[in-house]
Amino acid sequence: AQSVAQPEDQVNVAEGNPLTVKCTYSVSGNPYLFWYVQYPNRGLQFLLKYITGDNLVKGSYGFEAEFNKSQTSFHLKKPSALVSDSALYFCASRFSAYNNNDMRFGAGTRLTVKP
Amino acid sequence: DGGITQSPKYLFRKEGQNVTLSCEQNLNHDAMYWYRQDPGQGLRLIYYSQIVNDFQKGDIAEGYSVSREKKESFPLTVTSAQKNPTAFYLCASSIRAGGDEQFFGPGTRLTVL
Repeated sequence: AQSVAQPEDQVNVAEGNPLTVKCTYSVSGNPYLFWYVQYPNRGLQFLLKYITGDNLVKGSYGFEAEFNKSQTSFHLKKPSALVSDSALYFCASRFSAYNNNDMRFGAGTRLTVKP
Repeated sequence: DGGITQSPKYLFRKEGQNVTLSCEQNLNHDAMYWYRQDPGQGLRLIYYSQIVNDFQKGDIAEGYSVSREKKESFPLTVTSAQKNPTAFYLCASSIRAGGDEQFFGPGTRLTVL
């Protein structure tokens, strides 16, 4: 069955250091991959997506993600973390261009950036 | 949170009561969705709608109902049949069915007393 996994519940980094939030997927075929961020008691905000093309995708707020088909991964990265990046991050994937019911979300990774 | 609004932000319900959560979008999106979020879990799809007057069950539709009488509105009713309704409910929309990103509303936190 198609699924998305975020292997880390929590990631802690110091401000100014690079950050990585990991995501792996399990699917047959070509997935559409997304990253969202959620601040406390708020909805999810879209950061970036991979549909096709260049494996390195750039998104909002300086975030980027690299699609790696051989490792079935789509890790979120940022070269220099900010305290304001502290939030809950969700990886998501879908596997059809036509259905609405196949979006799968990871359990989320809480990122804490310390000053 | 874009052009999607949800109301109320907080909702308290007594056991045995039905409650309706509002979701409105002004993005002219065809598709709309309802998700449930519980602590430590990803989002789970309750219902979705690809077009006006049409909607389909998601993974956890039992105890919930929806309607889509207008393109911009997709209200969710949590019925008394839902055994564990306390959760954070998120409404989303996308331009169309398919591989597009979804845009989310600010959410409604429902607590059953």
